[in-house]
Amino acid sequence: AQRVTQPEKLLSVFKGAPVELKCNYSYSGSPELFWYVQYSRQRLQLLLRHISRESIKGFTADLNKGETSFHLKKPFAQEEDSAMYYCALRDSGGGADGLTFGKGTHLIIQP
Amino acid sequence: DTGVSQDPRHKITKRGQNVTFRCDPISEHNRLYWYRQTLGQGPEFLTYFQNEAQLEKSRLLSDRFSAERPKGSFSTLEIQRTEQGDSAMYLCASSFPGLRRVETQYFGPGTRLLVL
Repeated sequence: AQRVTQPEKLLSVFKGAPVELKCNYSYSGSPELFWYVQYSRQRLQLLLRHISRESIKGFTADLNKGETSFHLKKPFAQEEDSAMYYCALRDSGGGADGLTFGKGTHLIIQP
Repeated sequence: DTGVSQDPRHKITKRGQNVTFRCDPISEHNRLYWYRQTLGQGPEFLTYFQNEAQLEKSRLLSDRFSAERPKGSFSTLEIQRTEQGDSAMYLCASSFPGLRRVETQYFGPGTRLLVL
């Protein structure tokens, strides 16, 4: 069975400090990894996916298959980054298409 | 097009009653997903459709739950004989996986269900 673990329910950092939201996964197949974000009073939206290897709003995430991790990083946090962040996994090999989400990390950026 | 819409946004019902939720996907999106989210948890996959065909169902989808997408456009999720454990946010998402590797699921605002 596939599983996504986000060990931190809450992460609080000061503006300008580096941010790292942890995500570990358990999956025997070939996974596709995503980060979704939910800002206050907004709907869940895709932030980035591992296959795109892109930086969105200053965030990056690298898939480490050896450590089965997909941590989200940003070098300098901004107040508008405060939100709920969810790591999610899907099978990329033609299997199930539903996303498996972690429990989420509430990121608070203090001024 | 304002994105995925869901109706109603909130529903309060008594245990044992039936409820039905509606989801309207983004136009021309052929895939439609249903998820459930309880307090303190991430969304949990329930089921998905490609056009009108229901292709996958989670073990979470008990026989009291039924989903339809009759014409491949909007979808309904019905819960029969509701239980207090059904209280949750029900999320709908849609996508158009033209190239599967770049499929993005766009989420609706959700329907919050409270079973008394």
